[in-house]
Amino acid sequence: DGGITQSPKYLFRKEGQNVTLSCEQNLNHDAMYWYRQDPGQGLRLIYYSQIVNDFQKGDIAEGYSVSREKKESFPLTVTSAQKNPTAFYLCASQDQAGTVTQYFGPGTRLLVL
Amino acid sequence: GNSVTQMEGPVTLSEEAFLTINCTYTATGYPSLFWYVQYPGEGLQLLLKATKADDKGSNKGFEATYRKETTSFHLEKGSVQVSDSAVYFCALRTPDGGATNKLIFGTGTLLAVQP
Repeated sequence: DGGITQSPKYLFRKEGQNVTLSCEQNLNHDAMYWYRQDPGQGLRLIYYSQIVNDFQKGDIAEGYSVSREKKESFPLTVTSAQKNPTAFYLCASQDQAGTVTQYFGPGTRLLVL
Repeated sequence: GNSVTQMEGPVTLSEEAFLTINCTYTATGYPSLFWYVQYPGEGLQLLLKATKADDKGSNKGFEATYRKETTSFHLEKGSVQVSDSAVYFCALRTPDGGATNKLIFGTGTLLAVQP
């Protein structure tokens, strides 16, 4: 089955701690995206990558970092500089040809202890 | 700038009622338009899409028509079921020559269908 997996489903962060959210896709898509979802605010773009070893900041990149060393993987690190990290994080990938449709993973809910 | 505006929820309907969720957009050029659905605790699933004016997207009984003259992409379903209860997001992809293919989302509309 082709798709996008995110882990863990729930993640707890202590003050001053960096945590990493995993996103893996086996759809052979070049582009991958990270969104943050807060109640009543829809989705906001954190980072995106259109090709391996390249990525760009989205609208709310401060306090986050990413890497794209492999086509199928796009991990997101929430650093201690992100002062309000509690949110639902969604990863997506997109085919860049044809229908150019974006597909989403099941999400990771990050909570602060 | 580019933006999407959706009607605020929650929308509460009885089973078999007619559904309309309004979506209007602001964009330069000719964006592609999408409706995504999010069930509780899950990620987003593509429901339907339209890539040019007057196109009608449809799936699972839901429909939406790309109206350039009114910059709208309203979601409709003739008879809703309890299983349709979810949050619905309208989104556009800006026609920026494919440089980024980013999506811009509305704030989402919660639909609650009662038996």
